[in-house]
Amino acid sequence: DTGVSQDPRHKITKRGQNVTFRCDPISEHNRLYWYRQTLGQGPEFLTYFQNEAQLEKSRLLSDRFSAERPKGSFSTLEIQRTEQGDSAMYLCASSSRQASETQYFGPGTRLLVL
Amino acid sequence: AQSVTQPDIHITVSEGASLELRCNYSYGATPYLFWYVQSPGQGLQLLLKYFSGDTLVQGIKGFEAEFKRSQSSFNLRKPSVHWSDAAEYFCAVGPYQGGKLIFGQGTELSVKP
Repeated sequence: DTGVSQDPRHKITKRGQNVTFRCDPISEHNRLYWYRQTLGQGPEFLTYFQNEAQLEKSRLLSDRFSAERPKGSFSTLEIQRTEQGDSAMYLCASSSRQASETQYFGPGTRLLVL
Repeated sequence: AQSVTQPDIHITVSEGASLELRCNYSYGATPYLFWYVQSPGQGLQLLLKYFSGDTLVQGIKGFEAEFKRSQSSFNLRKPSVHWSDAAEYFCAVGPYQGGKLIFGQGTELSVKP
């Protein structure tokens, strides 16, 4: 079991640019979650998928944010027209009923918007 | 409102001393409770979890936690802290059937030699 992987691990971008992050869940985990963590805070929920379906989105997820999980495997999180306030760690987690819906986290993608 | 409170932002303990990290939650349904640990710049590692059964649960790295329904608490303990335990610890609550987790602000643990 290879665990949850995220790519890239670090991203520096200029304000106004678009960025896309990828998450590969633990194989056979049908639920996939995105969280955002700012410095000194706990992770905040953004959205989650069950297979291909996006079941819940946080109000934190503005129109500039979009997430997809087209084939029910990996997921992408895109941020359009980045702002300095988007600088954060973006964490992905996955779970399954067989694993008692325990969420296992990836290493995160650290985004810095200049 | 659903929330998790970790009252201690930062705790320092001496190596070999005992540790207790506090967590209080407010949740409308039966809570599924977790403790995660995070080293700097890393993702979260699961220490332990509780949904039902024995209210004292054992986790990895010698940690344990006790669920007290009457106090809405799920405190994390370790009898003897090691320098490698220095990290940030997060308590979280969510639904058993899957769904978003609500995290506390975290407690940063420092370990004195």
